[in-house]
Amino acid sequence: QSALTQPPSVSGSPGQSVTISCTGTSSDVGNYNRVSWYQQPPGTAPKLMIYEVSNRPSGVPDRFSGSKSGNTASLTISGLQAEDEADYYCSSYTSSSTWVFGGGTKLTVL
Amino acid sequence: QVQLVESGGGVVQPGGSLRLSCAASGFTFSDYGMHWVRQAPGKGLEWVTFIRYDGSNKYYTDSVKGRITVSRDNSKNTLYLQMNSLRAEDTAIYYCARREGFYFDYWGQGTLVTVSS
Repeated sequence: QSALTQPPSVSGSPGQSVTISCTGTSSDVGNYNRVSWYQQPPGTAPKLMIYEVSNRPSGVPDRFSGSKSGNTASLTISGLQAEDEADYYCSSYTSSSTWVFGGGTKLTVL
Repeated sequence: QVQLVESGGGVVQPGGSLRLSCAASGFTFSDYGMHWVRQAPGKGLEWVTFIRYDGSNKYYTDSVKGRITVSRDNSKNTLYLQMNSLRAEDTAIYYCARREGFYFDYWGQGTLVTVSS
């Protein structure tokens, strides 16, 4: 049950786009379209941003998008805004009937 | 609206026990599987356990097997986490979260567990 691999940090200026990667294995990310992404501003609970690789819940801006290729999923945030500054986590269902999270990525809006 | 409210956190000595609760409202609790997810101070999220909507199946991360037990009382709309033989590395904020599909669609605000002598 090793954590999925995310970059520790990414940054971008307002209006730019950033992409956060999430690498797993053929037992989790690569085997299922069951990847989700969560946003966590400091001191708050996580919030669902993307589910089933590329679907957005109601209320999440379309600036947030998700994709997957092989064992790596990605979250792209376009038109970066100051309010997007937060920690982001990916998660995947696994072949062991468990769930696993990534280590988290801190997004800084310059 | 969906609400999940955790309680029961606190300071406990190594080797001690604690029971967390998660009170659910705003949805039909007995229709949904539920998770516990924890976050050590300054660290990332870690999935802990999942229980099916009817309590028939439970799954755990390896590091808590044999020490932590998830349960639920659908008549009280409440999820529980019984934690025994607690270790320093169990220190974390514990969140309950609702399962929708294979993701976590609603989260509580969390309750802090500190294991320290």
